[in-house]
Amino acid sequence: SQTIHQWPATLVQPVGSPLSLECTVEGTSNPNLYWYRQAAGRGLQLLFYSVGIGQISSEVPQNLSASRPQDRQFILSSKKLLLSDSGFYLCAWTQNNEQFFGPGTRLTVL
Amino acid sequence: RKEVEQDPGPFNVPEGATVAFNCTYSNSASQSFFWYRQDCRKEPKLLMSVYSSGNEDGRFTAQLNRASQYISLLIRDSKLSDSATYLCVVTPSGGYQKVTFGTGTKLQVIP
Repeated sequence: SQTIHQWPATLVQPVGSPLSLECTVEGTSNPNLYWYRQAAGRGLQLLFYSVGIGQISSEVPQNLSASRPQDRQFILSSKKLLLSDSGFYLCAWTQNNEQFFGPGTRLTVL
Repeated sequence: RKEVEQDPGPFNVPEGATVAFNCTYSNSASQSFFWYRQDCRKEPKLLMSVYSSGNEDGRFTAQLNRASQYISLLIRDSKLSDSATYLCVVTPSGGYQKVTFGTGTKLQVIP
């Protein structure tokens, strides 16, 4: 069966520090992968999606970036975090139009 | 107009009550529809798909009205464990399957 992992589960970072969040998927090959952010009390905002290795599409301009160095690995990064980057970051993959989410990383920028 | 709109609630209902949520979408080319459930501080999890003919899973019934561009979720005999935020999800046609989530409707079932 397919499994999606994210780490870390929680993270507290100072403003201006770098960020690297990792997502890996098991049990499937060539998945479509997504990064979402959910701010407190708000809906899911699509940040990036990827249909294959090295293929990244950005949905919103911001100080975040994403990379897909391997088929089942999706990384979200930032060189300098902003206060507004705080939120719940979710990685997801798609099968038959259904999205399956990882457990998420809760990021607090202070 | 937002791509997907939901009443944020909260809906506070007593145990055993029947509650219904609606969700409207703006893109008439939308192909697939889902309801997800999200517990506090957890990831969303698929509750059920929504088919044109309507579908039922136990106490949950989902319906799609393409003409009016809305989907609905009906929960019968509410349980305390049904308390959560329910997200409406719409997927248009497209190669990479861009998925649009509603902001969610919060349900609180009261003893």
